[in-house]
Amino acid sequence: GENVEQHPSTLSVQEGDSAVIKCTYSDSASNYFPWYKQELGKGPQLIIDIRSNVGEKKDQRIAVTLNKTAKHFSLHITETQPEDSAVYFCAASDSGNQFYFGTGTSLTVIP
Amino acid sequence: NAGVTQTPKFRILKIGQSMTLQCAQDMNHNYMYWYRQDPGMGLKLIYYSVGAGITDKGEVPNGYNVSRSTTEDFPLRLELAAPSQTSVYFCASTRIAGNNEQFFGPGTRLTVL
Repeated sequence: GENVEQHPSTLSVQEGDSAVIKCTYSDSASNYFPWYKQELGKGPQLIIDIRSNVGEKKDQRIAVTLNKTAKHFSLHITETQPEDSAVYFCAASDSGNQFYFGTGTSLTVIP
Repeated sequence: NAGVTQTPKFRILKIGQSMTLQCAQDMNHNYMYWYRQDPGMGLKLIYYSVGAGITDKGEVPNGYNVSRSTTEDFPLRLELAAPSQTSVYFCASTRIAGNNEQFFGPGTRLTVL
């Protein structure tokens, strides 16, 4: 099955700086790559996603890039704010019935 | 819409006890999922369902059972609780196939002592 690896496991940045989280996947059939944000005590919530026919997608301060050849995708958060502090998960799906999640990155934005 | 709801929020079980974690969604989603989340780990799929009456095993199904008698409800059953089942359990749903946004419930924190 699919194997998704995520790095780093923890990340601290100063407010206003950028944060980058990287994921790799193993199954070339995967074609949907969502990113979820999980705040303390809550369920994950989708913040951005990308499909395999697109190389980059941006939504305000958040962007995701996908390199299908290298099988990796990244989340970029610019102008970080304290409310961006959370755990972020990447995932991959092959249009089937299952999602495969990375192990998460705990992001801390220092005011 | 309430989205995906889960009950209870917290539960402590003794080894060998049984319980059912409830999950319901009011978005008319066909696909529903149960995940467990252990500290420092990602979400591991336990069971999923593609519609009423249809369920299938995920990555870590041992020790659990599910049923899907209606589109709205997808309960998860633990028959003989073990300490290894201490975890946070999330239910999720999605409208169509796996390559679309999943909506998660708030989770159930289960401790088995």
